Amino acid sequence: DIQLTQSPSFLSASVGDRVTITCRASQGINSYLAWYQQKPGKAPKLLIYGASTLQSGVPSRFSGSGSGTEFTLTISSLQPEDFATYYCQHLKSFPLAFGQGTQLEIK
Amino acid sequence: EVQLVESGGGLVQPGGSLRLSCAVSGFTFSDHYMDWVRQAPGKGLEWVARNRNKANSYTTEYAASVKGRFTISRDDSKNSLNLQMNSLKTEDSAVYYCAKVTFLSNGWYPSDWGQGTLVTVSS
Repeated sequence: DIQLTQSPSFLSASVGDRVTITCRASQGINSYLAWYQQKPGKAPKLLIYGASTLQSGVPSRFSGSGSGTEFTLTISSLQPEDFATYYCQHLKSFPLAFGQGTQLEIK
Repeated sequence: EVQLVESGGGLVQPGGSLRLSCAVSGFTFSDHYMDWVRQAPGKGLEWVARNRNKANSYTTEYAASVKGRFTISRDDSKNSLNLQMNSLKTEDSAVYYCAKVTFLSNGWYPSDWGQGTLVTVSS
């Protein structure tokens, strides 16, 4: 089974900061990776699919990159509404799996 | 507007059964794969099961933690996805989300999610 490890698990940042979250796969997954944002008490929201394609309606300050085993989610200039938990998910093969999550908090 | 509404959650004793449903609208249900994903209180997301569409023979996939106990199914005539959960364990306690899975770019991705239904397994 393919495991995903996100880093960091917790991130404290300020409005306007540029932040990067990393997701590493235990084996190559090409670009079969998605990123989600989840706010407390809410369902996850798809941000990026195919490792780097922005889902419709997602602000352009979000970007994704990577292929193979190492991936990043970057938020270029944090906005107040971006403070949330972020998850990566691989869709290379079954069982599908999520990273453990990165909680982004206001500094 | 895409809508997914889960129902059927509640309190059940260990060893018991529960059937979750997800009513969908706003898209052609029969064209899409569907997933169930769960989240234990204060924990991360865990993929549970996938149901493919009619064009792919409604085939299914399961996480090892639920295989043999849970069954995912769908009724295209009713725009409904189901999850039959048997032999429930305390570790199955979670919010269960259904998700619409869409072919995007290079694969099938969960693109829209319901608000979830809470399942609590406790004596």
